[in-house]
Amino acid sequence: QKEVEQDPGPLSVPEGAIVSLNCTYSNSAFQYFMWYRQYSRKGPELLMYTYSSGNKEDGRFTAQVDKSSKYISLFIRDSQPSDSATYLCAMSAFGNQFYFGTGTSLTVIP
Amino acid sequence: NAGVTQTPKFQVLKTGQSMTLQCAQDMNHEYMSWYRQDPGMGLRLIHYSVGAGITDQGEVPNGYNVSRSTTEDFPLRLLSAAPSQTSVYFCASSYEQGRKLFFGSGTQLSVL
Repeated sequence: QKEVEQDPGPLSVPEGAIVSLNCTYSNSAFQYFMWYRQYSRKGPELLMYTYSSGNKEDGRFTAQVDKSSKYISLFIRDSQPSDSATYLCAMSAFGNQFYFGTGTSLTVIP
Repeated sequence: NAGVTQTPKFQVLKTGQSMTLQCAQDMNHEYMSWYRQDPGMGLRLIHYSVGAGITDQGEVPNGYNVSRSTTEDFPLRLLSAAPSQTSVYFCASSYEQGRKLFFGSGTQLSVL
């Protein structure tokens, strides 16, 4: 079983839709949870960073962590064509390696 | 504010050639790492370092060598390039291992 599972998609939505991206994990020691956005032929860009459980909001983006279910989500409100990218989840325990999902490809259609 | 800088952006090698991918960061991060990204396989850790003079292997270290003589630099050496090393390589750094990880823009490597 992989440490982190992420549905690869692809996901295609109309502009203005709410997008939900998810990852599940198996290691209960994970404390730090991240979402990265990666445009084609570019490096991953840190989008959201959360410590432990709870929600974090930044503009149109909301990250949720449910440690009891080992499940994290990224919500994008009012999605824009510029949000079209691959989204990677990542997680780690302090002093330990990072574990990444394989990424979900998102296309927002104008 | 440069962040993590990787050079070169593109490289084509012949089988058996050697080369060094450069990585530098200006954020005074102790933790630095190298990943390769292949379609359908996600990011895989090659080598990492938790400080100058300290390196360790990741998930796919074979065929690669690293050293860390300064806090800022973490070069990745391909000893004898093979077609299986065709990939996109990313350098990443973090203030501490396990915390926020920042990536460079990548090196696209083709081995013929």
